[in-house]
Amino acid sequence: QSALTQPASVSGSPGQSITISCTGTSSDVGGYNYVSWYQQHPGKAPKLMIYDVSNRPSGVSNRFSGSKSGNTASLTISGLQAEDEADYYCSSYTSSSTLEVFGGGTKLTVL
Amino acid sequence: QITLKESGPTLVKPTQTLTLTCTFSGFSLSTSGVGVGWIRQPPGKALEWLALIYWNDDKRYSPSLKSRLTITKDTSKNQVVLTMTNMDPVDTATYYCAHRPLPEGACDYWGQGTLVTVSS
Repeated sequence: QSALTQPASVSGSPGQSITISCTGTSSDVGGYNYVSWYQQHPGKAPKLMIYDVSNRPSGVSNRFSGSKSGNTASLTISGLQAEDEADYYCSSYTSSSTLEVFGGGTKLTVL
Repeated sequence: QITLKESGPTLVKPTQTLTLTCTFSGFSLSTSGVGVGWIRQPPGKALEWLALIYWNDDKRYSPSLKSRLTITKDTSKNQVVLTMTNMDPVDTATYYCAHRPLPEGACDYWGQGTLVTVSS
């Protein structure tokens, strides 16, 4: 059982926007601005998409955005494209452990 | 350009010790703030942190696996080594190493991963 809770799956049509939630506690998501989001295509390594809640690394499309409210962080993808179909994982610093915690992952299907 | 690559056995027997090496380039593990971590992913399952070592030799371990893990670095060789003792079939997973530019930050570069199967 992962420390952070994500929906198992979300879906959307090309051009639409979707949001993936990541729910934790005040000891992790709610207490620190160290939430990251990773995209993982089948058979590939994770790719950093968002760090420190809402920052995009260089080269990541501005269609990807992150936010946080209370104990829940969110990843929003606007203008969905077929290439966005992948698994997405959130991660957060936590005071309950010496290492970060991951969410269980969300499979995004582009219809 | 930062790159990382994992190497080690693809098959280990139960009770054996696994040794994985992460060889990296494009950064130095003697630079203040920098860390290299190991994360694994069982087939079809989520990512799981294993261990992390920082530039100052500070080491962090997964609480649930701490007794079985050892992480070390060789700055001159640009390598980080992870050992995991008493391997079990449930440890079958793809093992990744990753670069962390800042403490408590994200992992911005990942290796391609190496699949380790535990079976007799």
